Amino acid sequence: DSGVTQTPKHLITATGQRVTLRCSPRSGDLSVYWYQQSLDQGLQFLIQYYNGEERAKGNILERFSAQQFPDLHSELNLSSLELGDSALYFCASSVGGGNYGYTFGSGTRLTVV
Amino acid sequence: QKEVEQDPGPLSVPEGAIVSLNCTYSNSAFQYFMWYRQYSRKGPELLMYTYSSGNKEDGRFTAQVDKSSKYISLFIRDSQPSDSATYLCAMSAPGNEKLTFGTGTRLTIIP
Repeated sequence: DSGVTQTPKHLITATGQRVTLRCSPRSGDLSVYWYQQSLDQGLQFLIQYYNGEERAKGNILERFSAQQFPDLHSELNLSSLELGDSALYFCASSVGGGNYGYTFGSGTRLTVV
Repeated sequence: QKEVEQDPGPLSVPEGAIVSLNCTYSNSAFQYFMWYRQYSRKGPELLMYTYSSGNKEDGRFTAQVDKSSKYISLFIRDSQPSDSATYLCAMSAPGNEKLTFGTGTRLTIIP
């Protein structure tokens, strides 16, 4: 167990729907990162939060949004889902400087049908 | 062209062999280099971290960075079946905590 908790582990939903993925970082970690992993694109950075504030944004679609709450857990909201959004979504956390690497959760596998 | 290139494999070697995994990159701003191991249906696990150029050894694992060639390597000595996994290189630049990953190399150690 890495200490980063992601729920749910699996999600199957229809096109056009909206889902929320949840992440609890390791105790003491202030930064949360969201990544998408697909077979053809590999791991792609979506967004980073630090202590409740958005710190960096990657190639995150406008249909996707995230937030980090005062208790430091984070949620990734995906709306108007398309077949191409099917992927593994990982959350990771770090104490501060992510340049030294971060700890990943076990991911949420999203299937859009 | 991708910022980080990694041979996807698959790579199969017999138990006990030395494994060499490699990545090349194009962004000269990268200073922090990492190797992650990912087992099937699991999240990536940080294996090795190196700052700038040089070597780092941890047990059976050695990470090398050659910034002049923009080339990083991971060597696994005395490979074990439990080393069978996908290995991902990752790197970042100062002031930017986003990691840029290679696509991963799938490694199988044959008993």
